[in-house]
Amino acid sequence: QPVLTQSSAASASLGSSVKLTCTLSSGHSGAIIAWHQHLPGKAPRFLMKLERSGTYKKGSGVPDRFSGSSFGADRYLTISNVQSEDEADYYCETWDTNFRVFGGGTKLTVL
Amino acid sequence: EVQLLESGGGLAQPGGSLRLSCAASGFIFSTHAMTWIRQAPGKGLEWVSSISNNGVYTYYADSVKGRFTISKDNLKNTLYLQMNSLRGEDTAEYYCAKICAAGDACDWGQGALVTVSS
Repeated sequence: QPVLTQSSAASASLGSSVKLTCTLSSGHSGAIIAWHQHLPGKAPRFLMKLERSGTYKKGSGVPDRFSGSSFGADRYLTISNVQSEDEADYYCETWDTNFRVFGGGTKLTVL
Repeated sequence: EVQLLESGGGLAQPGGSLRLSCAASGFIFSTHAMTWIRQAPGKGLEWVSSISNNGVYTYYADSVKGRFTISKDNLKNTLYLQMNSLRGEDTAEYYCAKICAAGDACDWGQGALVTVSS
């Protein structure tokens, strides 16, 4: 099974941009992933599905400020014009028929 | 609008049992695989179990295999998770999620808290 590696924490100033990284383990660089946002006490929210090519498809209602990209085994989530409501945990996920795997999550702090 | 509403959480003793339900609406339940994902206090998201759209195929994380059973009633639009032989490390918020065509977990429920303690 693949392993997804995320930095534990990141920070961004209000109105700036931030790029979060999810790295797929060796042998799994072609995997499709999903990005989810999780605010404490709330349901996780699907943000987007992101392919190796960099093509991404966002969930319903996800602001234009959120975008995805890929390079090799790395999958990125970029948040432009960061807002206070973006302060949350961000998880990447990948899957196959018989398993699902999450990265450890990145806690984004908005300064 | 997709809605997933979990119920059945609560306090259970070690070795005890609980059954979680997830009532689905806003989409054709019978055409979607479903999954349970949990988050223990202070920890990240952990996959628990998944089930195919018709309920025939089921999959489990090693941590719950042999103790938890996932099922799906397509007539009642409800997903279940029967949890037996509960352990302290099963204490978590449990979320049900809809699996979309590409395999991504594309809609989530609000969660149900399960606490295992004597």
